[in-house]
Amino acid sequence: QVQLQESGPGLVKPSGTLSLTCAVSGDSISSPYWWSWVRQPPGKGLEWIGEIYHSGSTNYNPSLKSRVTISVDNSNNQFSLKLNSVTAADTAVYYCARGGYSSGCLDYWGQGTLVTVSS
Amino acid sequence: ETTLTQSPAFMSATPGDKVSISCKASQDIDDDMNWFQQKPGEAPVFLIQEATTLVPGIPPRFSGSGYGTDFTLTINNIQSEDAAYYFCLQHDDFPLTFGQGTKVEI
Repeated sequence: QVQLQESGPGLVKPSGTLSLTCAVSGDSISSPYWWSWVRQPPGKGLEWIGEIYHSGSTNYNPSLKSRVTISVDNSNNQFSLKLNSVTAADTAVYYCARGGYSSGCLDYWGQGTLVTVSS
Repeated sequence: ETTLTQSPAFMSATPGDKVSISCKASQDIDDDMNWFQQKPGEAPVFLIQEATTLVPGIPPRFSGSGYGTDFTLTINNIQSEDAAYYFCLQHDDFPLTFGQGTKVEI
């Protein structure tokens, strides 16, 4: 059973950098899947942030591309998200998932972690 | 970017009912549509892939239909455990986009 678990600070100050890690179990991050980040602001719909392959190749949503970096740590079977210059609009539940645009689906998801941007 | 218009935003059902949720794409996405179920505090669950294919392990009361721009998730004989938030996802066009979701109350 593939499981994903997000971790990171639940509170980030405005203009700071949001950093989250997704630990993967039940599958190797080096398997032939892409790995994605998705977010959902309170009361709003879901937004795909971007994806990474174990080789390090990435694709980002154009709406966030200038502020996002997704990286992979093959030795620890995890991948990470950094979002800089955050504002209150970046307050959301952040999910990691297996798959993405290049894989054609998001078949396994973490349960999500709430990140609040506030001073 | 493809916009997905999902309706209704909320619906109330009685156990045993048949319910349908619609997802309309702003452009032709072939059958590149997935459906998910999410319960509070839990990870989303993958229900339907490629518009009509039931993901292994998902009860057969769930079904999907549609092609091109109009898609439907149907739950036959709805059960109390089906109370959840349902959303659609298209993966035909970059970037991936989602419907706004439907909250189903039983």
